[in-house]
Amino acid sequence: AQSVTQLGSHVSVSEGALVLLRCNYSSSVPPYLFWYVQYPNQGLQLLLKYTSAATLVKGINGFEAEFKKSETSFHLTKPSAHMSDAAEYFCAVSDQNFGNEKLTFGTGTRLTIIP
Amino acid sequence: NAGVTQTPKFQVLKTGQSMTLQCAQDMNHEYMSWYRQDPGMGLRLIHYSVGAGITDQGEVPNGYNVSRSTTEDFPLRLLSAAPSQTSVYFCASSSSGTGIRVETQYFGPGTRLLVL
Repeated sequence: AQSVTQLGSHVSVSEGALVLLRCNYSSSVPPYLFWYVQYPNQGLQLLLKYTSAATLVKGINGFEAEFKKSETSFHLTKPSAHMSDAAEYFCAVSDQNFGNEKLTFGTGTRLTIIP
Repeated sequence: NAGVTQTPKFQVLKTGQSMTLQCAQDMNHEYMSWYRQDPGMGLRLIHYSVGAGITDQGEVPNGYNVSRSTTEDFPLRLLSAAPSQTSVYFCASSSSGTGIRVETQYFGPGTRLLVL
């Protein structure tokens, strides 16, 4: 069985400050890991994915995440927050027996940007 | 391309009624999935399909049926709606692939369902 834990259901940062959203995973087999963003009343959009290639993954909108096997973590970062980053962010895991048709999602982190 | 489309956008049902949530994609994707989103619980997988004629259960399949007769369509059926099925439902699709060939999964805009 696989699972993800997102620490902090709400995170607030000032515009221009570092964004750090935390995700820890549990998987009995090597995982695939994803970060998705959801804007109000919209579906989910993929930010980035880890599929066992480079451990530092760069995504869209200036976000990146680093896979750390020793810490079972896949935290999402952005050096400088922008007002348009306000949204809900979901970490998700699949395993290498599947593609991405069978994802397990975390409970989400709502990011608020303070002007 | 229209991407992943879902209909209806919003629906109100009475307990015991049945309905079908429609999902279609025009990207010739093999994989399609249905999720429900509830406050504080993230998204949970209901059913998924890896190709026409092939479906399987996800984490929360009870009360839902699916079929996949074509590559494009993946309808979700509620046979007898219950208040516990009040939720936002998302359909998603992607090309097949594992390892470094895992492809982007595209989500539809969602269907908000209220069961009274």
